[in-house]
Amino acid sequence: QLQLQESGPGLVKPSETLFLTCTVFGGSISSSGYYWGWIRQPPGKGLEWIVSIGYSGYTYYNPSLKSRVTISADTSKNQFSLKLSSVTAADTAIYYCARDFGYYRTDAWGQGTLVTVSS
Amino acid sequence: DIQVTQSPSSLSASVGDRVTITCRASQSISSSLNWYQQKSGKAPKLLIYAASSLQSGVPSRFTGSGSGTDFTLTINSLQPEDFATYYCQQSYSFGQGTRLEIK
Repeated sequence: QLQLQESGPGLVKPSETLFLTCTVFGGSISSSGYYWGWIRQPPGKGLEWIVSIGYSGYTYYNPSLKSRVTISADTSKNQFSLKLSSVTAADTAIYYCARDFGYYRTDAWGQGTLVTVSS
Repeated sequence: DIQVTQSPSSLSASVGDRVTITCRASQSISSSLNWYQQKSGKAPKLLIYAASSLQSGVPSRFTGSGSGTDFTLTINSLQPEDFATYYCQQSYSFGQGTRLEIK
């Protein structure tokens, strides 16, 4: 059964870079037809899709975050990672890693990890 | 950018009721709309994709319809486990969410 697990610091200082990794178990990030990405949710608020990377390496971004976001994949470790630069308090959120099978149809999620931006 | 507007923001209903949640896109999106259910403290769960296709394992009391700019999620015969927050999604844009509460 597919499982995704986020890891990374729970506290990041303002203006610094947030870095999270998602490890995938029970499936390969190299599988064709799937995309791997990140979605976040500020506490008590709605969902915001951030970025995804496809099996071919193709990436697609939320335009509102594109300038600050980098996504990468390490197929040898079956992991993919998110970098979000120049963070502010507005970036405080639960960050989910997820899989979609095209057209943003997200059918598998990690449990989520809370990242707080604070000095 | 295409925006999606979801309504109502909250809804009270009883077990056994039928409820409808709507999502409107700012321009035509054909059938490119997904619906998710999120329970408190949990990750969202995909219910419906491509406006009307039921995701594997999701009960048939959940139905999606619509195309173009207007879409609906209908839950027939509400069950206790259906009380949650529901989101529509069009590409990278999510609706604001509908909180479904027990009356």
